[in-house]
Amino acid sequence: EVQLLESGGGLVQPGGSLRLSCAASGFTFSSYAMSWVRQAPGKGLEWVSAISGSGGSTYYADSVKGRFTISRDNSKNTLYLQMNSLRAEDTAVYYCAKENGRTVTTALDVWGKGTTVTVSS
Amino acid sequence: QSALTQEASVSGTVGQKVTLSCTGNSNNIGSYAVGWYQQISHGAPKTVMFGNSLPSGIPDRFSGSKSGTTASLTISGLQPEDEADYYCSTWDYSLSARVFGGGTKLTVL
Repeated sequence: EVQLLESGGGLVQPGGSLRLSCAASGFTFSSYAMSWVRQAPGKGLEWVSAISGSGGSTYYADSVKGRFTISRDNSKNTLYLQMNSLRAEDTAVYYCAKENGRTVTTALDVWGKGTTVTVSS
Repeated sequence: QSALTQEASVSGTVGQKVTLSCTGNSNNIGSYAVGWYQQISHGAPKTVMFGNSLPSGIPDRFSGSKSGTTASLTISGLQPEDEADYYCSTWDYSLSARVFGGGTKLTVL
C-alpha cells in the first residue's frame, strides 16, 4: 500500500524556520516526482513546491520562492521542505503528495494526512 | 484569483448525475492531465480521478473528461458520502507551476 507520512510541523515565530519531512512507502520512491501542497485555515488548496524523481528539477510557487527549499533523499525514501523566514501567511496544513510519473507535469495520485504549521508570536 | 475556474457550489439529490467543471487555458488544461481531489470536512484530500484513470477504491460512478481547455468530473448516482469540496489541478507550462481551482462545494440534498 502506498503511504505518505508527514512530520515536522509545529508552532514557530515569524522569521523562524522549520523542516518538514515526508516518509514514503509502498512504491519505488525515486521513480516519482513529489509535491508539497498547503491549505490555510478556511482556504482552498495551494501548491507550494515540486521536485522531479531524480531531484534534479525543482519548482516553487512565487509566494515561497527564495524562502523554501524542496529536496529528497531517495536512499531514505523521504521528501523534505525546508522553510525559512516564515510569515504568518505560511500558517497552514502542509500535505505531501505523490505525482503519477517521474516528472512534475502529471497528476497527483496519493496524498499524506498533512502536518500543521502555525506561524505566530 | 485561481488559475483554474470552478463553480463555487453545486448541489444534487441522491441518485442524480452531477457534473463539475474546471476551466483553464492552453498552457494548463489544454496541455496536461487534470486531477480531481475530494476533501471532506477539511480532512486530507483524496484523489478521485487523475488523467483518465480512476484510482483504486474509487467507485466507478466517478468519471472524468476533458475538452479543449475545460475538464469535467461527473458523478453518476450521487450518494450522501459524495458531499465534499472538490478541487481540480494541473500543471501550467507558462507559470512552471502546478495550479489549482478554487474548489467546488458539492451538497447532496
